[in-house]
Amino acid sequence: AQSVTQLGSHVSVSEGALVLLRCNYSSSVPPYLFWYVQYPNQGLQLLLKYTSAATLVKGINGFEAEFKKSETSFHLTKPSAHMSDAAEYFCAVRRNTGKLIFGQGTTLQVKP
Amino acid sequence: EPEVTQTPSHQVTQMGQEVILRCVPISNHLYFYWYRQILGQKVEFLVSFYNNEISEKSEIFDDQFSVERPDGSNFTLKIRSTKLEDSAMYFCASAGTGGDEKLFFGSGTQLSVL
Repeated sequence: AQSVTQLGSHVSVSEGALVLLRCNYSSSVPPYLFWYVQYPNQGLQLLLKYTSAATLVKGINGFEAEFKKSETSFHLTKPSAHMSDAAEYFCAVRRNTGKLIFGQGTTLQVKP
Repeated sequence: EPEVTQTPSHQVTQMGQEVILRCVPISNHLYFYWYRQILGQKVEFLVSFYNNEISEKSEIFDDQFSVERPDGSNFTLKIRSTKLEDSAMYFCASAGTGGDEKLFFGSGTQLSVL
């Protein structure tokens, strides 16, 4: 069965520091992987997706993620955190039926 | 960018009452979904809908839940007899195709069952 695991329910970084949010997937077939962001009191917004075209995926707001099959990982990074990046981040894997399976979520706190 | 619209944004109801959560998916989309997020927990899949029928549902989606696409534009989630544990944020989503196509999510309906 496909699933994702996010390591660390809470990550705190200083403004300007590197952001690294970890996600590992479990899938017997090449997965479709997504990162979504949820700002306070808002819905889920797609940051980026991996669909096997390229292992390094660039998304919105300066975020990117690298698909590493050998490590079954799809970690989300941003070189320099901004205060506006504070939000909940969800890694997800999508089955062919369209169903998204979400990870537990990681709350990103950005300190001034 | 096109949007998925959900109404109402907040719904308060008494335990045992019926509620209907409404969604207007993106107009040319074919796949529709409901997810929910209980406070402090992860987003959970409830049901997917394609070609006017349920294509997949989770164990959460029991007989108290139903979905409908009554008029070709709206997509509704009905809870027949609400329970306290139904209190959650309910998200509607739609997609043009299956596979790697991204899901567009609405901003959610916060359901509070008292």
